[in-house]
Amino acid sequence: TQLLEQSPQFLSIQEGENLTVYCNSSSVFSSLQWYRQEPGEGPVLLVTVVTGGEVKKLKRLTFQFGDARKDSSLHITAAQTGDTGLYLCAGANRDDKIIFGKGTRLHILP
Amino acid sequence: ETGVTQTPRHLVMGMTNKKSLKCEQHLGHNAMYWYKQSAKKPLELMFVYSLEERVENNSVPSRFSPECPNSSHLFLHLHTLQPEDSALYLCASSQDPNQPQHFGDGTRLSIL
Repeated sequence: TQLLEQSPQFLSIQEGENLTVYCNSSSVFSSLQWYRQEPGEGPVLLVTVVTGGEVKKLKRLTFQFGDARKDSSLHITAAQTGDTGLYLCAGANRDDKIIFGKGTRLHILP
Repeated sequence: ETGVTQTPRHLVMGMTNKKSLKCEQHLGHNAMYWYKQSAKKPLELMFVYSLEERVENNSVPSRFSPECPNSSHLFLHLHTLQPEDSALYLCASSQDPNQPQHFGDGTRLSIL
């Protein structure tokens, strides 16, 4: 069974700090998505990465897909309280099925 | 109205009740999904519909019965649920199966 392991599970940091969260697997994915879910709402798609080594930037968020397409990272620069939420990664495997990680719950303190 | 809309937002029901969850998408997507989200577990894919045909059923108990009458609407019929079925049920849609998805805000279901 393919798994996506996200780390850390929980992260609480001060506003203005930088952070990185990870999404790892032993399997190759044809694409990988990052979502953010806020309390009381559904997940919202942030980015899709497809090519090994690809880097995408969304304002203060930088997403990287590993060269072997087995892992990904999300780096947030100068975190803001509005970044608080559950960050989910999801990968499309060779059978084109999408699986989700358990998520990283991020809390930015004012 | 745009996006994916789910109703009701909250539902409390007894184990012997029958109720239905509704999902509607106005994005012109061909695929729709039901997920279960419980604490400390990954999102669990329950059902996938593509062009109104069920293409995936991930060993979901028969007390959950999906219905997709057209490409814009998806229902999840519930009967004789168990306390462990209490969770957030999320609906999503995508242009085609297993592409990036747009989610609704979910129905928070509590089984007494």
